[in-house]
Amino acid sequence: AQSVAQPEDQVNVAEGNPLTVKCTYSVSGNPYLFWYVQYPNRGLQFLLKYITGDNLVKGSYGFEAEFNKSQTSFHLKKPSALVSDSALYFCAVRDMGNTPLVFGKGTRLSVIA
Amino acid sequence: DAGITQSPRHKVTETGTPVTLRCHQTENHRYMYWYRQDPGHGLRLIHYSYGVKDTDKGEVSDGYSVSRSKTEDFLLTLESATSSQTSVYFCAISESHPNQPQHFGDGTRLSIL
Repeated sequence: AQSVAQPEDQVNVAEGNPLTVKCTYSVSGNPYLFWYVQYPNRGLQFLLKYITGDNLVKGSYGFEAEFNKSQTSFHLKKPSALVSDSALYFCAVRDMGNTPLVFGKGTRLSVIA
Repeated sequence: DAGITQSPRHKVTETGTPVTLRCHQTENHRYMYWYRQDPGHGLRLIHYSYGVKDTDKGEVSDGYSVSRSKTEDFLLTLESATSSQTSVYFCAISESHPNQPQHFGDGTRLSIL
């Protein structure tokens, strides 16, 4: 069975500093990996995905994520955080079949001015 | 934004009453999903549909039923609501290929007293 772990419930970072939100996964085969962001009283918004190819994936709003197969990780990164990046972030995975996404429990990012 | 409308957006009802939530899409996507979001649990899949009249159970399906009589509509029914079903419910849609992300509605906040 596929699963996702987001080890940090909360990440605090100063505006302008780099940020990392961690995600590790478990699937039986090759994974499809996704990051989503959720702002208050809104649904989840798709940020980026890894399917195959280059291990560094670029997405919306300046975010990127690095796929590491040996460590089964897919950490979300941004070189310079903005206060407006403060939100709830979810990592999700599915295997090669068309199964529904499995989500992590989310990490709340707070960017402090 | 993907054309997904959830109704109602907010509902308060009493224990033991039936409740139906509606998800309507204008994207003609094959797959539709119902999730619930609770603090400390992230998003958990309730039921999903892979076509008209084709549905399957998710992780937390007990106490819930679904129906999909048209491509654009996916209904979630709580046959006899309980306080443990107080939650925020999200509908999502996706295209057929597993490398495509799911897109989410803005949720229904359901309170059962």
